[in-house]
Amino acid sequence: DVKVTQSSRYLVKRTGEKVFLECVQDMDHENMFWYRQDPGLGLRLIYFSYDVKMKEKGDIPEGYSVSREKKERFSLILESASTNQTSMYLCASSSYSGGAGMKTQYFGPGTRLLVL
Amino acid sequence: GIQVEQSPPDLILQEGANSTLRCNFSDSVNNLQWFHQNPWGQLINLFYIPSGTKQNGRLSATTVATERYSLLYISSSQTTDSGVYFCAVEGNTPLVFGKGTRLSVIA
Repeated sequence: DVKVTQSSRYLVKRTGEKVFLECVQDMDHENMFWYRQDPGLGLRLIYFSYDVKMKEKGDIPEGYSVSREKKERFSLILESASTNQTSMYLCASSSYSGGAGMKTQYFGPGTRLLVL
Repeated sequence: GIQVEQSPPDLILQEGANSTLRCNFSDSVNNLQWFHQNPWGQLINLFYIPSGTKQNGRLSATTVATERYSLLYISSSQTTDSGVYFCAVEGNTPLVFGKGTRLSVIA
């Protein structure tokens, strides 16, 4: 059974703190993604990675960074948390099927982050 | 970039009713997926369907790539079908999500 886990379901942090969100997948997938989900805005891509030590900016990378030192782990870092980063953060992974684009994305349970 | 529009934005159904959710996209795609987000926030993949028709129990999906739309059919709806349904497409960039259809099934 495929599995994507995220380090916390709920997190409360203070403005200015450095925040680490961890995501681990056990499916040997090449691709990993971080999204944030806000009411009325849907899912927006923050960063993604197609391989170890590789990262690409998504649609809203400002205020975030990522790290992928191992294939199964993709970390999202909020360098200095701000109240407008209060959101639901979702991690996903998928494999690459060559010419047919990426296969199915599998999502973790999400982390609800509140920045005070 | 590619645009994804879903309709209707909200839908309320009586248990047992059928429904059709629509996803329109603005450019050619090589990947289209339907997801269901349950009330606890978990996103579950329903279909990987860049073209053609697939069925899984009471759910089925059809994508007409040449006309740039996909349909998700839910038959004999149950209260557990409630949640938000997302369509997501991949062209030259990673998956782009629509804003979803919020479905409420009432007993």
